[in-house]
Amino acid sequence: SQELEQSPQSLIVQEGKNLTINCTSSKTLYGLYWYKQKYGEGLIFLMMLQKGGEEKSHEKITAKLDEKKQQSSLHITASQPSHAGIYLCGAGYSGGYQKVTFGTGTKLQVIP
Amino acid sequence: GAVVSQHPSWVICKSGTSVKIECRSLDFQATTMFWYRQFPKQSLMLMATSNEGSKATYEQGVEKDKFLINHASLTLSTLTVTSAHPEDSSFYICSADSGSTDTQYFGPGTRLTVL
Repeated sequence: SQELEQSPQSLIVQEGKNLTINCTSSKTLYGLYWYKQKYGEGLIFLMMLQKGGEEKSHEKITAKLDEKKQQSSLHITASQPSHAGIYLCGAGYSGGYQKVTFGTGTKLQVIP
Repeated sequence: GAVVSQHPSWVICKSGTSVKIECRSLDFQATTMFWYRQFPKQSLMLMATSNEGSKATYEQGVEKDKFLINHASLTLSTLTVTSAHPEDSSFYICSADSGSTDTQYFGPGTRLTVL
């Protein structure tokens, strides 16, 4: 089974609405990354969370990591068409130079 | 922020030929670089971890003789797909660890199409 699960797999929202994407790990994380990707393009780093209970915000995007460091959520407030894309969570399970295991991805469409 | 480039951005080749993809960290040194591949509508799968000055570490199921990785300097890692076949067609993405922030920076990717 997948170590890192994302939900939902896809999401269609109307412009201006809020939305949440979840990422759940079967093991305790060292660090949790959120990336955005336009299909066929490289990844854009959004945020990294490392401490249990940590929360970070950038513009209209907020990400949280739970206290147990096994679940993270990404929340977008007042979505815009520019938010459309594929959101990937990535997990590091050890410190230092670590490989990232990626979640299944969430495809977001924002309808004007 | 740190910048990672890849070259070429896309390549089309005939079956049986070899293709080399370069990954460069432009403004930082990367002791470790990672190579991923992504099939259409799927997530990224780690292929191998590339360490400067030593042999790459391959993930289970990845043929090391088919996907040759060389990390000759602190700013360059190359992935060579040898004797490419249509099933190797994919989007290949590299990332580099800056070492100072626990953050990986990803390249823009290389789309390989094998005819």
